[in-house]
Amino acid sequence: AQKITQTQPGMFVQEKEAVTLDCTYDTSDPSYGLFWYKQPSSGEMIFLIYQGSYDQQNATEGRYSLNFQKARKSANLVISASQLGDSAMYFCAMIDDRGSTLGRLYFGRGTQLTVWP
Amino acid sequence: KAGVTQTPRYLIKTRGQQVTLSCSPISGHRSVSWYQQTPGQGLQFLFEYFSETQRNKGNFPGRFSGRQFSNSRSEMNVSTLELGDSALYLCASSLDGGHEQYFGPGTRLTVT
Repeated sequence: AQKITQTQPGMFVQEKEAVTLDCTYDTSDPSYGLFWYKQPSSGEMIFLIYQGSYDQQNATEGRYSLNFQKARKSANLVISASQLGDSAMYFCAMIDDRGSTLGRLYFGRGTQLTVWP
Repeated sequence: KAGVTQTPRYLIKTRGQQVTLSCSPISGHRSVSWYQQTPGQGLQFLFEYFSETQRNKGNFPGRFSGRQFSNSRSEMNVSTLELGDSALYLCASSLDGGHEQYFGPGTRLTVT
């Protein structure tokens, strides 16, 4: 069963506007972590933000914030004040704490974000 | 603090050959995971090593193997290469495998 779902294959946003990238997840494990990564065309996977399942507050890192809605099992990424350099593929990922799957990230299919001037 | 490094960055091999890729994690990190990324299959987990032990393995054939050294550096090996092995191979390092994982720049393997 798919653990991470990203329903938006592509998103477009104008420079300086905010954009939300959707992510829903599926796990029965009470302890898990959620990640967002950015992958530019160069291929490197850049860590953006992390949210633990027990964290009370939504994670924020500069212009990135994670809108964590536990009951809905969603972990949307909000990018404020978009910049041209934000154009890239964005992946949502999850890790659970079961011993058998420790160290394994489950990735969604990604959302290609294009920022236009 | 140096990031995750992967060598080589690009590689071209022919079918039937074997290849070894290397990953050096961030200093102090003991967990290294490997992923294969292709346009068709997306990002797929290969295996994870922690303190020289393979703790977790994805659903790949036995041609894919790996190891980790005492300094946490990891190598993965693919034997008898097939055209379908052409992909971007990414490694990620973390303190213990359960938290923030940082990726290297990847090795782009082309099999002809």
